[in-house]
Amino acid sequence: EAAVTQSPRNKVAVTGGKVTLSCNQTNNHNNMYWYRQDTGHGLRLIHYSYGAGSTEKGDIPDGYKASRPSQENFSLILELATPSQTSVYFCASGTANTGQLYFGEGSKLTVL
Amino acid sequence: AQKVTQTQTSISVMEKTTVTMDCVYETRDSSYFLFWYKQTASGEIVFLIRQDSYKKENATEGHYSLNFQKPKSSIGLIITATQIEDSAVYFCAMSITGNTGKLIFGLGTTLQVQP
Repeated sequence: EAAVTQSPRNKVAVTGGKVTLSCNQTNNHNNMYWYRQDTGHGLRLIHYSYGAGSTEKGDIPDGYKASRPSQENFSLILELATPSQTSVYFCASGTANTGQLYFGEGSKLTVL
Repeated sequence: AQKVTQTQTSISVMEKTTVTMDCVYETRDSSYFLFWYKQTASGEIVFLIRQDSYKKENATEGHYSLNFQKPKSSIGLIITATQIEDSAVYFCAMSITGNTGKLIFGLGTTLQVQP
């Protein structure tokens, strides 16, 4: 079974609306990450977490918040969605000692 | 600043041949980790292989191997005996600030394996 699952897999939102992307992992990894993937930019890190209750800013955090209420769950929150946030978002989990990441299936977000 | 560059946008090879994908990186860190990931047509991203900067021997994993040339800041991915299902986008990545999982990715190389 998939160890990192994301929901929703597809989302259409309106400009100014709130969007929450959820991620659940069963790997028992301390670290979790949110990336977005765009043509021409590759994968870019938005937020990450070292454990429950912690969130850290990645390379492109503006316009995004993150929440890590438990070891298993990590959410990405867009309080006021904009069309520039239309993208495919990937959640990943990993351990610090290997650096190997396990990715979710991706969530395609379209902001109209 | 750290950077990962994949100069090959796309490669097409015949099945059962060997292909090499290039990747160069920039970092001032003395210790770092290099990775290759594969993204299939369905969008799934899968870890393939890792090279630790302090190891001189090239990593191997199944029909994947690496050509690590530290003086040239280069980490090539070699796939031997390619199969149709190897057709995918391959990303090179580097971890920064130690092994925290914060990866910087290259833009990817699309591999098409022809029958």
